[in-house]
Amino acid sequence: AQKVTQAQTEISVVEKEDVTLDCVYETRDTTYYLFWYKQPPSGELVFLIRRNSFDEQNEISGRYSWNFQKSTSSFNFTITASQVVDSAVYFCALSGGIGTGGFKTIFGAGTRLFVKA
Amino acid sequence: AAGVIQSPRHLIKEKRETATLKCYPIPRHDTVYWYQQGPGQDPQFLISFYEKMQSDKGSIPDRFSAQQFSDYHSELNMSSLELGDSALYFCASSRPPQNTEAFFGQGTRLTVV
Repeated sequence: AQKVTQAQTEISVVEKEDVTLDCVYETRDTTYYLFWYKQPPSGELVFLIRRNSFDEQNEISGRYSWNFQKSTSSFNFTITASQVVDSAVYFCALSGGIGTGGFKTIFGAGTRLFVKA
Repeated sequence: AAGVIQSPRHLIKEKRETATLKCYPIPRHDTVYWYQQGPGQDPQFLISFYEKMQSDKGSIPDRFSAQQFSDYHSELNMSSLELGDSALYFCASSRPPQNTEAFFGQGTRLTVV
């Protein structure tokens, strides 16, 4: 069975601090995909990044960076120099397998990030 | 670029009423997924369709039904609504195997009073 664990329920930081959101996953699939989504108070799911199981390269996009480590089944997300606009719930997610069944996505419980001015 | 369209965006219904949510996938996407996100919870997979056939099923109540039509749009029908059905309902679409992710719509917020 697939599972995503985000152990941090809430994190509160002061603006300009760096913050790391942890994500640990479980899957038996050899091919799978990991995602991070941001959900602001307005409710929509904003796609941030996708990683496939064969690509362990870390990625940086502006103030965002991701650390994928297959050995520890982790896919952590770091926001550098956090801003108030980063306040949201962040979901780590997993989908696996290929084929016509599609890509059902399993979400973690989410981490609510508060960034104070 | 065209995105997944969900309608309505907001819906208020009374207990025991029926609601129908609609989802229009990205053009040429043949797979549609429905998710339910209760307050303070993560989105939970309900059901998916590929080429108009149900392809997977999650924790969807028997009071709910869904289908995908010939134009690939999908509808989620919810009957005998309960207060606990109040949630954000997301639709997503993809075209596997080309797509390695599902693209989410903006959601329909259903409130049952």
